[in-house]
Amino acid sequence: SQQGEEDPQALSIQEGENATMNCSYKTSINNLQWYRQNSGRGLVHLILIRSNEREKHSGRLRVTLDTSKKSSSLLITASRAADTASYFCATSLYTDKLIFGTGTRLQVFP
Amino acid sequence: DARVTQTPRHKVTEMGQEVTMRCQPILGHNTVFWYRQTMMQGLELLAYFRNRAPLDDSGMPKDRFSAEMPDATLATLKIQPSEPRDSAVYFCASANSWTGYGYTFGSGTRLTVV
Repeated sequence: SQQGEEDPQALSIQEGENATMNCSYKTSINNLQWYRQNSGRGLVHLILIRSNEREKHSGRLRVTLDTSKKSSSLLITASRAADTASYFCATSLYTDKLIFGTGTRLQVFP
Repeated sequence: DARVTQTPRHKVTEMGQEVTMRCQPILGHNTVFWYRQTMMQGLELLAYFRNRAPLDDSGMPKDRFSAEMPDATLATLKIQPSEPRDSAVYFCASANSWTGYGYTFGSGTRLTVV
């Protein structure tokens, strides 16, 4: 069963624009992670944010976490065509086990 | 960069045949996961191991699926007998539970059962 739901399901933008994806989850968590999946490939870990953190940055990525609303957002600034992929949030509680959301398909047009 | 290696990359088989998928986790990672990805169900956790011991296989259909780690460098997922509804991409991932960092995924095995 899916723990998280990403919103929107699909997003199309022009190069240079910012892309924002949201993730809502159902239960308490220890941490929330974001992954990218290029078509036909495995998932690649992007960033991890712990339940006691509110914001985290990594290069052009900015992740926020609001545990009171059980939601997170991933912002990709100055998007590039190479950012075209599906993005998934994943959560874990007291184990290593990650439960993935439904994903957002991002298309960045040159 | 260290990689998780999965074989085969693609497998087409007839219904009723046995399928074995293999995974070589990253050296030093003590946790291995098997996920299945389909359009309808998304990413589903099938089973996972820590230090080669199975911790959770509740997501796996027990009557036909089995997962093992015969040694620290090899994880296997078997389906016997295979059915068309098993068609999916199967991913292996490994992680180091001590660092609490993210998973490293393999490239997946795309299984088609006809």
